[in-house]
Amino acid sequence: DTGVSQDPRHKITKRGQNVTFRCDPISEHNRLYWYRQTLGQGPEFLTYFQNEAQLEKSRLLSDRFSAERPKGSFSTLEIQRTEQGDSAMYLCASSASGTAYGYTFGSGTRLTVV
Amino acid sequence: RKEVEQDPGPFNVPEGATVAFNCTYSNSASQSFFWYRQDCRKEPKLLMSVYSSGNEDGRFTAQLNRASQYISLLIRDSKLSDSATYLCAVNPNTGGFKTIFGAGTRLFVKA
Repeated sequence: DTGVSQDPRHKITKRGQNVTFRCDPISEHNRLYWYRQTLGQGPEFLTYFQNEAQLEKSRLLSDRFSAERPKGSFSTLEIQRTEQGDSAMYLCASSASGTAYGYTFGSGTRLTVV
Repeated sequence: RKEVEQDPGPFNVPEGATVAFNCTYSNSASQSFFWYRQDCRKEPKLLMSVYSSGNEDGRFTAQLNRASQYISLLIRDSKLSDSATYLCAVNPNTGGFKTIFGAGTRLFVKA
């Protein structure tokens, strides 16, 4: 296990289509986070899981967004009925328990909605 | 007011210079602080955690000022390879474990 893996690296989709991204965290990490980043901005928090439980969701996460982490391993982020404003880099990160630990990020999935 | 604010820069410095960035946070109850480095079109990578007593890692020194609610990053003897965006990150201690990121400070180190 060499780090956090995200798939796909790039996704181009037409407006109105649904997309799903996958994240495989570092196996020893029980916390998994989803962030979104647009050009010139820092990562914006979307949601996080501790094991399989989704503990917090940002108000940024509209009803079109849903995330799951079945069995506390990999996670998926689905966006339904995509809009052009959803175009961004979607970053997944994982961390060990404890607030003193920083995150390890994956390489991200770059979504372009046309 | 944003929860975490940084001067976007850019900071343009010659090789060998010392440069410092500050980052302010709004929630006085915040408990964990970090600096990340992000290269163009890459993911952020943890540079260092920031401890109450301050900490140093080679040419990098991070400090926390709780009274004034800011953290700082000092880079000594800048290298060309230090050119990147530096993100400050804060756990606001609002009952969860999320981290809030600043928008980043861009640094360009010139030969």
